[in-house]
Amino acid sequence: DGGITQSPKYLFRKEGQNVTLSCEQNLNHDAMYWYRQDPGQGLRLIYYSQIVNDFQKGDIAEGYSVSREKKESFPLTVTSAQKNPTAFYLCASNPGLRTGGFTEAFFGQGTRLTVV
Amino acid sequence: AQSVTQLDSHVSVSEGTPVLLRCNYSSSYSPSLFWYVQHPNKGLQLLLKYTSAATLVKGINGFEAEFKKSETSFHLTKPSAHMSDAAEYFCVVSDETSYDKVIFGPGTSLSVIP
Repeated sequence: DGGITQSPKYLFRKEGQNVTLSCEQNLNHDAMYWYRQDPGQGLRLIYYSQIVNDFQKGDIAEGYSVSREKKESFPLTVTSAQKNPTAFYLCASNPGLRTGGFTEAFFGQGTRLTVV
Repeated sequence: AQSVTQLDSHVSVSEGTPVLLRCNYSSSYSPSLFWYVQHPNKGLQLLLKYTSAATLVKGINGFEAEFKKSETSFHLTKPSAHMSDAAEYFCVVSDETSYDKVIFGPGTSLSVIP
């Protein structure tokens, strides 16, 4: 079945550590996104990528990094520079530029990151 | 600038009664509008979308929404609530010209009382 897979589902990080969240899709979508969700604040865009080897900062990119070496994969690294990383992280994809703009986004099941 | 307002942070209904979740938007362009549902600790699932075709949009699980340009609203309704409808609902607006111009509302938490 086609879809988006995020792993792990739960992740614990010690202060000062970098951690990487995985996002893989087999939908053949060009565009991929990372969002952060905090209670009562909706979703905020961290990074997005419209095509392989290209990505753009979203509203809250500081303390995060991404790569897009393969169409299927868009990993997110939460660095030690992110001062408040505890949140629910959602990865999404959509078909991309071929459809002429943002259309329906497909979401992964999320990764809950907790700093211990 | 685009924005989305969900007028209620929490809505509580009895099972079998109608559901109304309110969304107002502002957009400089012809917007696309979406409603997504999120169950606890899960990803978001698309309920329905408006993309300048029919103003009354039918979605999954009996939900529908009406696009009213004069009121800049896109309220979500369902005639009869089911226990499984309890979840967080997000209204989303996009102007179709830029990927970073997708705006999520803050969400409305729907509780269904047996």
